[in-house]
Amino acid sequence: QVQLQESGPRLLKPSQTLSLHCTVSGDSISRGYFYWSWIRQAPGKGLEWIGYIQYSGTTQSNRSLESRLTMSIDMSKNQMSLRLTSMSVADTAVYYCARGHYYMDVWAKGTTVTVTS
Amino acid sequence: SHVLTQPPSVSVAPGQTARITCGGDNIRSKSVHWYQQKPGQAPVLVVYDDRDRPSGIPERFSGSHSGNTATLTISRVEAGDEADYSCQVWDSSSDHPVFGEGTKLTVL
Repeated sequence: QVQLQESGPRLLKPSQTLSLHCTVSGDSISRGYFYWSWIRQAPGKGLEWIGYIQYSGTTQSNRSLESRLTMSIDMSKNQMSLRLTSMSVADTAVYYCARGHYYMDVWAKGTTVTVTS
Repeated sequence: SHVLTQPPSVSVAPGQTARITCGGDNIRSKSVHWYQQKPGQAPVLVVYDDRDRPSGIPERFSGSHSGNTATLTISRVEAGDEADYSCQVWDSSSDHPVFGEGTKLTVL
């Protein structure tokens, strides 16, 4: 059974950098067919795609975030990571990692990230 | 980029059929995927490629697509089906997924 588990700090101050990790179990992150996505959901809002990455290093980012966003994969840890700089209150959201990009068939439980001064 | 339009809310009595629509310009040629999200939980894929169900999703959940409107149909609605439902398509012009704003299904 494929499971995704996120980890990372949940409380940030404005201008700080968010670093989240997503560890995959039950599947190999380097299996070529799959891409791995990051999605977020602000309070009371719909799902917002952040970006996706494949083990080869291929990435695609939401244009509204790409200047602040870095995604990476560590195959030795079967893990993907997200780094989002210059966080603001507007970035407060639940952040999800998920398997897939065309559609997402397995999701992590989500991490609530709050940006507050 | 595609904009997907969903009704903000749909209400249905237990045992009845709920239909949630997803509309958008030029989605006639695209596959539509549907997610169920219960309060405080992650989304769950319930229909992909317009009408296919992942393993473990009850047959009560079905999808259809005609022209620029896709529909998620939930038959014999149960209290446990109360959730937000979001549609999603792939924007091939910019290579990324696009989500609808979601529909809150209330079971009366």
